[in-house]
This record gives sequence, structure tokens and C-alpha cells, in this order.
Amino acid sequence: DQQVKQNSPSLSVQEGRISILNCDYTNSMFDYFLWYKKYPAEGPTFLISISSIKDKNEDGRFTVFLNKSAKHLSLHIVPSQPGDSAVYFCAASEDTNAGKSTFGDGTTLTVKP
Amino acid sequence: GAVVSQHPSRVICKSGTSVKIECRSLDFQATTMFWYRQFPKQSLMLMATSNEGSKATYEQGVEKDKFLINHASLTLSTLTVTSAHPEDSSFYICSAKRLGWNQPQHFGDGTRLSIL
Repeated sequence: DQQVKQNSPSLSVQEGRISILNCDYTNSMFDYFLWYKKYPAEGPTFLISISSIKDKNEDGRFTVFLNKSAKHLSLHIVPSQPGDSAVYFCAASEDTNAGKSTFGDGTTLTVKP
Repeated sequence: GAVVSQHPSRVICKSGTSVKIECRSLDFQATTMFWYRQFPKQSLMLMATSNEGSKATYEQGVEKDKFLINHASLTLSTLTVTSAHPEDSSFYICSAKRLGWNQPQHFGDGTRLSIL
């Protein structure tokens, strides 16, 4: 049973437009959510996070929205740039679980010039 | 920033060989390190959680005698794949995090292990 799901394996967006990556989770005990970005042949890098007490967190071009009732979070990138092309992983953790995170399968974002 | 160095980046060796992979946090103290395995086009599969000075906690289905983990200091954890076989060929990646449940993980660049 996959607790964190990214249902879209890929997304293609034109440069300058908005990219919206989605993530759903099933475990109501998750209280901290993160997005990571991964380029080929590199490890994931932390992008942005949100605590369950918030519904939005913004950092520059990146905004994460959390809808707890729907158990859904999304990452918005505005404006999208070709350098944003990468695999994006959604992750979730609970404070009673030794800091472990459960990862989704990732969404490959391609931003076309 | 938080930098995690993983070494080696690629290993090719014969079946039956034991392989050691190192994971170092270069600019912060990592109270917890994680070891993952990633299969092609799949997500990161957590193998074990390693806390400094204590035994690693392995996920279900991961053989602890096969994948030996040592976390001897706050900046170094090692994963040893013992008597590796072709089915152990994979991409192994480590991460490290500071104390605190809401701290992000910082990942190494991974090790591509190929067993002939």
C-alpha cells in the first residue's frame, strides 16, 4: 500500500508558464511534507517543505499548498524555467517515526524553451 | 548549505565481493542517516535508518547481515554490501539529517553498484 502517491509520472510545461505537481497521501499521521528535486546522476536536493499546521509555504518561485482534508499537496513553480526540468519527489513524515520520510515515485518535469 | 558526500560514485565488481559505500556529512552533524536503494524508474526505497552510536534499524525485507551499516560518528555512515551478487546491482543513495523531526534530509549523489 503506497502511502504517498504522485499520479502523474511526467509533466511538460512551456517556459514562463506555471508548473503544478501533485501529490496525495493516505496516512493521516503525516505532519511534515517535503519536495525534493533530482537531476540525473545526482542525489535529490531539498526544495521546500510545509508543516501540517500551515496550508501554504512560499519560497521564491516555489509554493507548496497543503489540503489536509483532501490529503493532498501540490508544488507550484512560477514562472517555470528550463533549468527546472528534473524529477520532483514528494515526501511525507511523521514526528514519531524517527524522521523517516515516505517518498512518492516522482514526477518528471520538462520545461520547454 | 548542507553537503553530503557519498563515495564511491560507481563500483563494478565480481560476484562474491564485499563493497563498502561511505556517506559523509561535510558541514553539519548528522544525528540520523538513511540508506536507500533505487530501482530504475522507481522511487527511493528506504533500506535502513542509522543513528550515531547505535544499531541501524532495518526496514522489513532488508537483510541486515547482507547490508551492514555502521554509523560510527556524527559525520560518517557506511553501508557494506557483503558477498554481493548480480541481484544486488542497483543505485544506492544515502541521506543525512540534523536532529529534529522537521529537518529535511540531505542526499549524497548515490553509488551505482554493478555486480558481474
